[in-house]
Amino acid sequence: ELKVEQNPLFLSMQEGKNYTIYCNYSTTSDRLYWYRQDPGKSLESLFVLLSNGAVKQEGRLMASLDTKARLSTLHITAAVHDLSATYFCAVEENQGGKLIFGQGTELSVKP
Amino acid sequence: NAGVTQTPKFQVLKTGQSMTLQCAQDMNHEYMSWYRQDPGMGLRLIHYSVGAGITDQGEVPNGYNVSRSTTEDFPLRLLSAAPSQTSVYFCATRGLATQYFGPGTRLTVL
Repeated sequence: ELKVEQNPLFLSMQEGKNYTIYCNYSTTSDRLYWYRQDPGKSLESLFVLLSNGAVKQEGRLMASLDTKARLSTLHITAAVHDLSATYFCAVEENQGGKLIFGQGTELSVKP
Repeated sequence: NAGVTQTPKFQVLKTGQSMTLQCAQDMNHEYMSWYRQDPGMGLRLIHYSVGAGITDQGEVPNGYNVSRSTTEDFPLRLLSAAPSQTSVYFCATRGLATQYFGPGTRLTVL
């Protein structure tokens, strides 16, 4: 059974600081997603990582994937208040489309 | 191009009532799915479909039915609503680039 764990679950950061969110999963998978969710809103796709060593960057966010370690990271560089949201990683089962989500990381960036 | 649409946005039901949550997509994606989101538990898969006429159960299917008669629509039926089904429901489709989520339906069962 595929399980996905994120840590930390809550993260309070100061503006300008760097931090990393970790996503561990229990079995092999071909696709890993990162989503952002603002309060009361839907999920916005940030990154899709397809292969070992994949790295993608968008603005202050960078995601990477290590399939051997079954670990993905979402790195935040020089955080700003606009990044405050909940971030989810989700792993796709066996190319079938079924997503197993982590619990989410609630990020709060304070001035 | 509306993407994934869901109706209604909000719904309040009494225990034992039935209702259908609607989901439609205009991207011609074969794969569609329903998730529920509860505080502190992330999203959990209820049912999914890999194409018209084909559906299967996800992680938490009890109390829900689905059907897929067309590529565009994937309704979720609550047969006899229970307070434990109070949640936010998201429909999603899988494209080549990513999985797209609808805006969600916030359901309260009293």
